[in-house]
Amino acid sequence: AQTVTQSQPEMSVQEAETVTLSCTYDTSESDYYLFWYKQPPSRQMILVIRQEAYKQQNATENRFSVNFQKAAKSFSLKISDSQLGDAAMYFCAYRVYSGAGSYQLTFGKGTKLSVIP
Amino acid sequence: NAGVMQNPRHLVRRRGQEARLRCSPMKGHSHVYWYRQLPEEGLKFMVYLQKENIIDESGMPKERFSAEFPKEGPSILRIQQVVRGDSAAYFCASSPKGSGANVLTFGAGSRLTVL
Repeated sequence: AQTVTQSQPEMSVQEAETVTLSCTYDTSESDYYLFWYKQPPSRQMILVIRQEAYKQQNATENRFSVNFQKAAKSFSLKISDSQLGDAAMYFCAYRVYSGAGSYQLTFGKGTKLSVIP
Repeated sequence: NAGVMQNPRHLVRRRGQEARLRCSPMKGHSHVYWYRQLPEEGLKFMVYLQKENIIDESGMPKERFSAEFPKEGPSILRIQQVVRGDSAAYFCASSPKGSGANVLTFGAGSRLTVL
């Protein structure tokens, strides 16, 4: 079974500083996708960043970047210049092919990020 | 572009009643997914549907739960004879045809509370 592990239930960061959220996953596949989703207090799930496993270059989206270590099955999220609006639950997710043309996302349990003014 | 619309946002039911949750996918999206989020947990896959077809229901409990996505109208997640353990947030997501769940847009979720 595919699993996604987020070992940090809670993290905090000073405003304008940098924070890294960790994620590891277990898979026997060689080609797959990884995602980071943000869930603010409104509970809306918002895609932050996506990484394709066959791409060696780490994905970046403005202040958000990932450190993708395929051999180690590690997919950490770095948030630079943290802002108050970054405070949220962050979920790491892995795309699983479940057969018959169906893909599912398997999510970790999340990391609650607090931003200190 | 209204995005993925879910209603109701909040639903309260007593044990044994039925709950119906609705999801209208994003314009142009023909694939719908339902996920459930229990307290302090990540989202867990329930079911994947296309118009008039259930493609993958491997995450759906075998009893009391059903889903449909008719030719016309929203997708419906139906829970019969609800129990306290069904209390959760239920999220719908949609994607365009052929995206392989790489481009999921989530709704704001429906929070079910069972008394």
